[in-house]
Amino acid sequence: NAGVTQTPKFQVLKTGQSMTLQCAQDMNHNSMYWYRQDPGMGLRLIYYSASEGTTDKGEVPNGYNVSRLNKREFSLRLESAAPSQTSVYFCASSARLAGRYEQYFGPGTRLTVT
Amino acid sequence: AQSVSQHNHHVILSEAASLELGCNYSYGGTVNLFWYVQYPGQHLQLLLKYFSGDPLVKGIKGFEAEFIKSKFSFNLRKPSVQWSDTAEYFCAVSLTGGGNKLTFGTGTQLKVEL
Repeated sequence: NAGVTQTPKFQVLKTGQSMTLQCAQDMNHNSMYWYRQDPGMGLRLIYYSASEGTTDKGEVPNGYNVSRLNKREFSLRLESAAPSQTSVYFCASSARLAGRYEQYFGPGTRLTVT
Repeated sequence: AQSVSQHNHHVILSEAASLELGCNYSYGGTVNLFWYVQYPGQHLQLLLKYFSGDPLVKGIKGFEAEFIKSKFSFNLRKPSVQWSDTAEYFCAVSLTGGGNKLTFGTGTQLKVEL
């Protein structure tokens, strides 16, 4: 049981390049999330998917797109990377326990845009 | 706007000292409260959570937190810290029925000195 996995672990992009961050979970969770973490700002929600086939914007969605490929996988795409997108990206999935939800996080992807 | 505040951004303690990290939130509805810890180079791990019931909750590694509804607070405590507690600590809040979207505080960097 690997939990939440993310690839790649590190990536360097040039401004204007595109890339997709991959996330998968093997816990049969319905909901999945993408966050970015910046120094002094905590984690901010980019997009989330409450269930397979649905996606919604979070707090900071501009410059990103997502795809909920199936129940296991939720990818984040940067179409034209900008230096402001330099960050650590975390994927999470959530389980419902007694009517309440608890999120589990992946190891993160450290992205640098030059 | 809904928000979570962590007023202590950096805390330095000696081993065996007591710890209290503040967390305040501004939400109008029924909340779920979480503390996550991020050890250097690692992903977020759940320390403890409050959904309902006893406002004093105990988590892993000797941590506890108290929910004071009248003060909109959920402070984290540990009676005696260890060097291995050096990490960044995040308070997070979600609304019951709010799709489990977490709003994070900006984090508190704790350094424990030998």
